[in-house]
Amino acid sequence: QSVLTQPSSASGTPGQRVTISCSGSSSNIGRKYVYWYQQLPGTAPKLLIYRSNQRPSGVPDRFSGSKSGTSASLAISGLRSDDEADYYCAAWDDSLSGPVFGGGTRLTVL
Amino acid sequence: EVQLVESGGGLVKPGGSLRLSCAASGFTFNTYSMNWVRQAPGKGLEWVSCISSSSSYIYYADSVKGRFTISRDNAKRSLYLQMNSLRVEDTAIYYCARDIGRDAYSPELDYWGQGTLVTVSS
Repeated sequence: QSVLTQPSSASGTPGQRVTISCSGSSSNIGRKYVYWYQQLPGTAPKLLIYRSNQRPSGVPDRFSGSKSGTSASLAISGLRSDDEADYYCAAWDDSLSGPVFGGGTRLTVL
Repeated sequence: EVQLVESGGGLVKPGGSLRLSCAASGFTFNTYSMNWVRQAPGKGLEWVSCISSSSSYIYYADSVKGRFTISRDNAKRSLYLQMNSLRVEDTAIYYCARDIGRDAYSPELDYWGQGTLVTVSS
């Protein structure tokens, strides 16, 4: 059972916009930045969003992050087949004194 | 080019020990905090441990506290994870990852290694 809760799966068709939610608590998302990672099959995770809504250089602006209260969301617009991957949210948890990850969301592009 | 290369994984019996290494290159290793993150087969990511640049601050997940020890040798540009009293549930790919250090207490891991597989089985 992950500290951060994500839907196990999401799907969309090419060109669509999809959102992935991440629910936490006051000890993590409620007071800390949220980070999103993309993990393509068979590869190491890649940082997609930092500080809840900032994109590292090289990440397309089709990816965006937001946070409100104890929840966060990752939105992907103009969905492409190569967006098929697992997506994880993460945040520092003050109660646990360490980072926590969501359980991950498998995105399928239909 | 930043590179992180893990090694030391393998098959070990429950109760056994293993030491993982992560060799870093392409950046000033002694100025970055480093992390170990693991992923059990077919499962999600689980943070394991982190260590600050000078080893002053060390944190562990509750699941490994008292059994695993993180350390680093800045002269050798290397990160380590000593794993003792291994359990079947420790079976996973272990990744080392660099913390960009933009904010304190933030899992902003900008570079990851390819991972090394640890299998705990009798």
